[in-house]
Order: sequence, then structure tokens, then C-alpha cells
Amino acid sequence: DAGVTQSPTHLIKTRGQQVTLRCSPKSGHDTVSWYQQALGQGPQFIFQYYEEEERQRGNFPDRFSGHQFPNYSSELNVNALLLGDSALYLCASRGQGIHYGYTFGSGTRLTVV
Amino acid sequence: LAKTTQPISMDSYEGQEVNITCSHNNIATNDYITWYQQFPSQGPRFIIQGYKTKVTNEVASLFIPADRKSSTLSLPRVSLSDTAVYYCLVGVSENTGFQKLVFGTGTRLLVSP
Repeated sequence: DAGVTQSPTHLIKTRGQQVTLRCSPKSGHDTVSWYQQALGQGPQFIFQYYEEEERQRGNFPDRFSGHQFPNYSSELNVNALLLGDSALYLCASRGQGIHYGYTFGSGTRLTVV
Repeated sequence: LAKTTQPISMDSYEGQEVNITCSHNNIATNDYITWYQQFPSQGPRFIIQGYKTKVTNEVASLFIPADRKSSTLSLPRVSLSDTAVYYCLVGVSENTGFQKLVFGTGTRLLVSP
């Protein structure tokens, strides 16, 4: 049973470009969250999707947008990339029931040059 | 969501028991306490979750006093592979009913031979 799968694993982009990161949740999970983790810091919540709608959002600008598909997979899009967007982007999924922990993927390492 | 305070780092030796304490003074009545483990360049891994008293699973125990203003993650007989960053999180559902994880800077545990 595959856990959370993220692609690509590494990515290098130039300032001003746009990027799309992809996430497949763990089988049976329907809620997907995205996090940004800068080097040496804890993950920061970006947003959460459930039933193809954004349910919660962290303190991130509109350059960060997302989507959830009917099969529960999700995309994170970042427009007009800045050097400060360089980070590990983590996707986490969870099934029904608030008492279960989230399952995280291994992340996508984005480097903006 | 309640803020958490953890020691920045801890050192231990193989075979010892390690206790990492987290302070969460403004925990709400319906908040659960959750601990995650993270290795470099990997996503956080769920360790244990509890509400009150003591919870034990195959890898750790979680001790929560009656006032719930703190909690202690106990790792029995640590090994070198337990060297990682450990995060304490408090908070269950927002008003929308969806859980948002707020990570602190975590505790960096170093286990030596």
C-alpha cells in the first residue's frame, strides 16, 4: 500500500517562473494539505483541500494556489517564483476522523535561482 | 490554536530512555496533542496522539498531566536511528471542522553510541 506520493522529487526553477507540484494521497485518504518547509524550520501550513475545495488557508500569498481532483490527488501551483520560495514542499493526507494523524510524503525540493 | 514550546535540542546515548517535554499553556478543551518525527529531507512521520493521561503504542508513550498544559513524549531505549527532529502539535479542528497542523521549530534529538 503506497503512502503519499509526490512528484517531482527535485526541481530547479528561475525567478518569475511558475511551478506545479503534484501529490497522490495515501489510499483511502480524502483530505490533502500542503506545507512549505524552509531549511532548519518546521513545516508551515499552506492550505488544505477536501471534496475538491480549499477548506483552510495559511498565511501565504495568492501566488500559491491549489487544486484537488475527483480521485483526491492534488496540485500546488506557485506563480511568479521568488528566491524565498526555495523550500521543501510537503503534501500530507488524512482519512476521515479527526483523531488520526496525517501521513506525509517525502516532499518536493524546489530551488529557485 | 495553542502555541507550543519545546527544547531546541537534546542529547542522549544508545539504550537510554529519552523524555521530550512540550509546553502548551493555552490548550483548548477539545485539543488533542500529537507528536511527529522528521528525518532530514523526509516528511514528518506520525508517532503518537493523545488527549489525557497516558497513551502507549509500539514506539513511544505520551504522558499528559491532569491540567494538560504540558505533555511528555517518552522514547524507550533509543537507538542511533532515533536521531531526528521531534515536533509537538496541539489543536484539532478549526471552526470549519478541518484540522490544521501548526508546527513549531521542534526538538533536535541526537543519539550517540
